[in-house]
Amino acid sequence: GAVVSQHPSWVICKSGTSVKIECRSLDFQATTMFWYRQFPKQSLMLMATSNEGSKATYEQGVEKDKFLINHASLTLSTLTVTSAHPEDSSFYICSVGEDATQYFGPGTRLLVL
Amino acid sequence: GNSVTQMEGPVTLSEEAFLTINCTYTATGYPSLFWYVQYPGEGLQLLLKATKADDKGSNKGFEATYRKETTSFHLEKGSVQVSDSAVYFCALRDGGFKTIFGAGTRLFVKA
Repeated sequence: GAVVSQHPSWVICKSGTSVKIECRSLDFQATTMFWYRQFPKQSLMLMATSNEGSKATYEQGVEKDKFLINHASLTLSTLTVTSAHPEDSSFYICSVGEDATQYFGPGTRLLVL
Repeated sequence: GNSVTQMEGPVTLSEEAFLTINCTYTATGYPSLFWYVQYPGEGLQLLLKATKADDKGSNKGFEATYRKETTSFHLEKGSVQVSDSAVYFCALRDGGFKTIFGAGTRLFVKA
């Protein structure tokens, strides 16, 4: 299966700052990547679908101006949490795969103080 | 819309016990079904999958059969180990390639 990496694996930031999370598909050219958020002891919730060369598609209730997604190449998508607040603290996970099977990155844990 | 319902945890078992984690789904069409496992502090790993009715997915001693008549995909293992302690997520993926996850079931296996 595809190998997916995320960077950083964890980040701590002050409230009001912006944080960029990278998702790389190491051996698979992904025209589509997915971003999920997982709160402690909860399931994964799809935030948005990242489309290479075009705008991301956001799920209902996800603020597109707060969670900026850029899918600049077939192997890289970035999620920027702008003006982060403590309630944005979560585990952010990306995935790739264009058939029935998705491959997930190891996740990025964000803590906003 | 599509949804996945799985049994609430936590589930606590002794080593070598039989495991069943129930999962049912609601979907239009013919989704693919998955079980993912998440070990403490790690991301999700695909455990097994089934893409059509009556398919059986299996891996590492775990099995699940795609039952369209009961819209179920229950996870089973005949003899659990301490190392199986993790959170297990049932999921479906529809033709639009969105993955819908169940709430997750935490499994504790005691030595």
